[in-house]
Amino acid sequence: KAGVTQTPRYLIKTRGQQVTLSCSPISGHRSVSWYQQTPGQGLQFLFEYFSETQRNKGNFPGRFSGRQFSNSRSEMNVSTLELGDSALYLCASLGQVNNEQFFGPGTRLTVL
Amino acid sequence: QQPVQSPQAVILREGEDAVINCSSSKALYSVHWYRQKHGEAPIFLMILLKGGEQKGHDKISASFNEKKQQSSLYLTASQLSYSGTYFCGTAGGTSYGKLTFGQGTILTVHP
Repeated sequence: KAGVTQTPRYLIKTRGQQVTLSCSPISGHRSVSWYQQTPGQGLQFLFEYFSETQRNKGNFPGRFSGRQFSNSRSEMNVSTLELGDSALYLCASLGQVNNEQFFGPGTRLTVL
Repeated sequence: QQPVQSPQAVILREGEDAVINCSSSKALYSVHWYRQKHGEAPIFLMILLKGGEQKGHDKISASFNEKKQQSSLYLTASQLSYSGTYFCGTAGGTSYGKLTFGQGTILTVHP
């Protein structure tokens, strides 16, 4: 099976812009979660989607949003970018055998 | 509440053992262990459900003490490939898609 894929791998944006990141889960996986990873805050949960519905949400401002499509692919959007949004954004799909999360390679976002 | 990991970093020689601890102030239903190598995605190691079950994965094993609300990861006879950052994650109930991760423990194994 192909792993979790994320596009783009790298992004450079300026403050105030918005950005959309994409994630394709492992085939058959219906749950997609998003995490933000920074040196200071570590790995922080953003949200989880299951069958096109947001199932869980982390403590991030409303500028962070997401959605999931009928084929389980997911996108997350960050509007009005701030310098502090610079991070590695990881998505993960949830396996059904051991309840493990399979992480994608991440999208490295740099906000200038 | 974010689980607390200790130590923050550990340096080993090949063949030495290490223990990484993960503690939570909240009641735990499950503990999830991941390893992330520099520049790579986190990789799942194991999940422990409440009940004190100890699991093993090659020479890496873990225990879960739900009464103490803590888990420990044991790495025995460490290999160079064990180097990386180890994260423990906790889930609220059976929401395994929403993990709260600790700050991570950096493990470095030298020849």
